[in-house]
Amino acid sequence: GAVVSQHPSWVICKSGTSVKIECRSLDFQATTMFWYRQFPKQSLMLMATSNEGSKATYEQGVEKDKFLINHASLTLSTLTVTSAHPEDSSFYICSARDIRGGTLEKLFFGSGTQLSVL
Amino acid sequence: SQQGEEDPQALSIQEGENATMNCSYKTSINNLQWYRQNSGRGLVHLILIRSNEREKHSGRLRVTLDTSKKSSSLLITASRAADTASYFCATSNTDKLIFGTGTRLQVFP
Repeated sequence: GAVVSQHPSWVICKSGTSVKIECRSLDFQATTMFWYRQFPKQSLMLMATSNEGSKATYEQGVEKDKFLINHASLTLSTLTVTSAHPEDSSFYICSARDIRGGTLEKLFFGSGTQLSVL
Repeated sequence: SQQGEEDPQALSIQEGENATMNCSYKTSINNLQWYRQNSGRGLVHLILIRSNEREKHSGRLRVTLDTSKKSSSLLITASRAADTASYFCATSNTDKLIFGTGTRLQVFP
């Protein structure tokens, strides 16, 4: 089956630093990638939709200057948490939609990144 | 919020018993999907049911969909300890996949 690689799987950083998370589709091209955030024992909250070659669309309440998303190619999207603070500590998950899929039926998820900001 | 709600929030059963989880959503949908998540891990797609379908089976999984009530249920039959995980429903109507609040299932051996 299709594979989405998310890296790193966990990261610990100091408050005020920036952290970049990568999401790669390994065996398919993804026109659209989605970034989710999940707090412990809670559901996944959609943060933004990333379209290749264009600006990301952010959900209400998500600061686009804080969570920078870049989708420069059909196989890579990155999420950069800028000037991270302890409240940004969370589990971040990406998902990718196969370019051949017209709906969200072909959506594949990365294994997630646990971010801990000290 | 578009987010669906699931109940129960948590469910504890013995191995061999059936587990039923319910999901309610708010908007019209194209399809509804169920995912599983082991603690601290990514999501695994379990099953998808389209808006024009009422019931679907896959192995020990049975999903129903009632669009008039905007609800779905996931039944896991003959549960195993390895089924212990969180289960989420997810709905899509346009270009977004929105997840429900999830049910944490614990299956005791």
